Amino acid sequence: QKEVEQDPGPLSVPEGAIVSLNCTYSNSAFQYFMWYRQYSRKGPELLMYTYSSGNKEDGRFTAQVDKSSKYISLFIRDSQPSDSATYLCAMSAVSGTSYGKLTFGQGTILTVHP
Amino acid sequence: GAGVSQSPSNKVTEKGKDVELRCDPISGHTALYWYRQSLGQGLEFLIYFQGNSAPDKSGLPSDRFSAERTGGSVSTLTIQRTQQEDSAVYLCASSNPQGDGYTFGSGTRLTVV
Repeated sequence: QKEVEQDPGPLSVPEGAIVSLNCTYSNSAFQYFMWYRQYSRKGPELLMYTYSSGNKEDGRFTAQVDKSSKYISLFIRDSQPSDSATYLCAMSAVSGTSYGKLTFGQGTILTVHP
Repeated sequence: GAGVSQSPSNKVTEKGKDVELRCDPISGHTALYWYRQSLGQGLEFLIYFQGNSAPDKSGLPSDRFSAERTGGSVSTLTIQRTQQEDSAVYLCASSNPQGDGYTFGSGTRLTVV
């Protein structure tokens, strides 16, 4: 079993829809949670960064972390065709063997069609 | 520089040859990471440098892979005797001392024929 599980999709939604992307994880030492967006033939770009549990909002994007359930989510409101990309969740720990390095989910391919 | 710079952007090599991939991190970033991304897969951790500490090499898949970081800045990932399964995009990232957010380069797309 992988430490971080993410549904690879693909996910196809109409423009303006609310998109929900999720990851589950098994390592209780994870404390930092990130979402990256990756366009084709580009490196991942940091979208959201949260520490421990809670919500964080940035424009159309909201990240949620539920450590008790080991579950994180990214919501995209009013989705746009320019949001079409692969979304990767990533996490790291403050100690132990996962300290300092990111563990990624497989990535979810999202297409927003006009 | 403004971002993480990787070179070359593309590399085609013959099976059995050695290759060197270069990463120039953001100035002031003490941590540097190498990841590998195969087609349709997530990112696989390879190696992590933090300041002057010994690197975490736990993700290197075999002894054909090695990396060094000179002067706490530029890093080189070397793959010896390349195999077809080494074909992937090799991504480098760096982060500041707080570790809050990693900036990736655009990667080197390696094809072993």
